[in-house]
Amino acid sequence: QKEVEQNSGPLSVPEGAIASLNCTYSDRGSQSFFWYRQYSGKSPELIMFIYSNGDKEDGRFTAQLNKASQYVSLLIRDSQPSDSATYLCAVIKDFGNEKLTFGTGTRLTIIP
Amino acid sequence: EPEVTQTPSHQVTQMGQEVILRCVPISNHLYFYWYRQILGQKVEFLVSFYNNEISEKSEIFDDQFSVERPDGSNFTLKIRSTKLEDSAMYFCASQRLAGGREQFFGPGTRLTVL
Repeated sequence: QKEVEQNSGPLSVPEGAIASLNCTYSDRGSQSFFWYRQYSGKSPELIMFIYSNGDKEDGRFTAQLNKASQYVSLLIRDSQPSDSATYLCAVIKDFGNEKLTFGTGTRLTIIP
Repeated sequence: EPEVTQTPSHQVTQMGQEVILRCVPISNHLYFYWYRQILGQKVEFLVSFYNNEISEKSEIFDDQFSVERPDGSNFTLKIRSTKLEDSAMYFCASQRLAGGREQFFGPGTRLTVL
């Protein structure tokens, strides 16, 4: 079982719609969860992180965490063509051992 | 806004040669990391560094790899004898505090081993 799993996509969403990206993780004790955006040939850029169960909103982005289901998601409202990128889910398993474990990423395309 | 910088942006080397990749983390950050991403694959952890010593290293980080913080600003990754399979993007990241806080990535160095 992969440590962090994401659907590789591609996921195509019309401009202005909501894009929903999902991620599951295998280590039930994982502590914090990150969404990074990566444009082709570029480095990961942090969008959001979440520690606690529930929703966390930042502008057009909402992260959702359900530790019981070992599931984290990212919603992008009012999707724009500039949101077209690969979205990486990453987890830190325990504090004090802070390496990020990444999923393979979901490629998102926003269709104008 | 402070950011992590890396040099060079692209390094081409012959197999068996030594390379040093350089990073300048964000100035008040305490935790430093190297990750790599082989083309088309996921980002993989190599090594973490805190208080002038390695905190953790992955299986990838074998005896051919070393890290150093030679002064108060630079953080380097050295590969002693490069192999073809070392070709990848290498990312440096820094983190201000522990406790699962965010890590900020540099722009990366593309290493090509011929």
